Amino acid sequence: ELKVEQNPLFLSMQEGKNYTIYCNYSTTSDRLYWYRQDPGKSLESLFVLLSNGAVKQEGRLMASLDTKARLSTLHITAAVHDLSATYFCAVDKGGGGADGLTFGKGTHLIIQP
Amino acid sequence: ETGVTQSPTHLIKTRGQQVTLRCSSQSGHNTVSWYQQALGQGPQFIFQYYREEENGRGNFPPRFSGLQFPNYSSELNVNALELDDSALYLCASSLSGPEQYFGPGTRLTVT
Repeated sequence: ELKVEQNPLFLSMQEGKNYTIYCNYSTTSDRLYWYRQDPGKSLESLFVLLSNGAVKQEGRLMASLDTKARLSTLHITAAVHDLSATYFCAVDKGGGGADGLTFGKGTHLIIQP
Repeated sequence: ETGVTQSPTHLIKTRGQQVTLRCSSQSGHNTVSWYQQALGQGPQFIFQYYREEENGRGNFPPRFSGLQFPNYSSELNVNALELDDSALYLCASSLSGPEQYFGPGTRLTVT
């Protein structure tokens, strides 16, 4: 059974600081997704990482994937309040997506002025 | 290009009742997946439909069933509702690539 673990689950940080969210998964996969969710809202796609060593950046967020270590990171640079949200990583086991995505429990991020 | 839409937005049902949730896929997308997200948890995969056939299922009992129509819209049906079925239900549509596009969700409360 595929397990996806995120840490930390809760993070409170100050504006201007840098931090990294970690996502570990238990079986081989080369499709890793990062989503953002605001309270009461749906999931907003941030990044889709499709190969070992993939790195993608959008604004203050950068995601990377190491398939050998079964690890993805989401790095936040010079955090701003607007980035406060819950962040999920999700893994596709393969098989054309017929097994669905397996999500972590999410990292609840609060950025304080 | 229209996005994924879901209806209703909110729904309150009584334990033991049945409910139908609806999803309209993004234009041209032939694959739809349904997820259940309990409060404070990550979404859990219920099942996936491709061209009107169920082609993948998560760890959910048979009282969770679905349909996909020729226009690729979809329904999720839940029979014999239980209190633990209270959750946000999300559908996601996709075409041939890895990207999945999530709808706004239906918040179901079972009392």
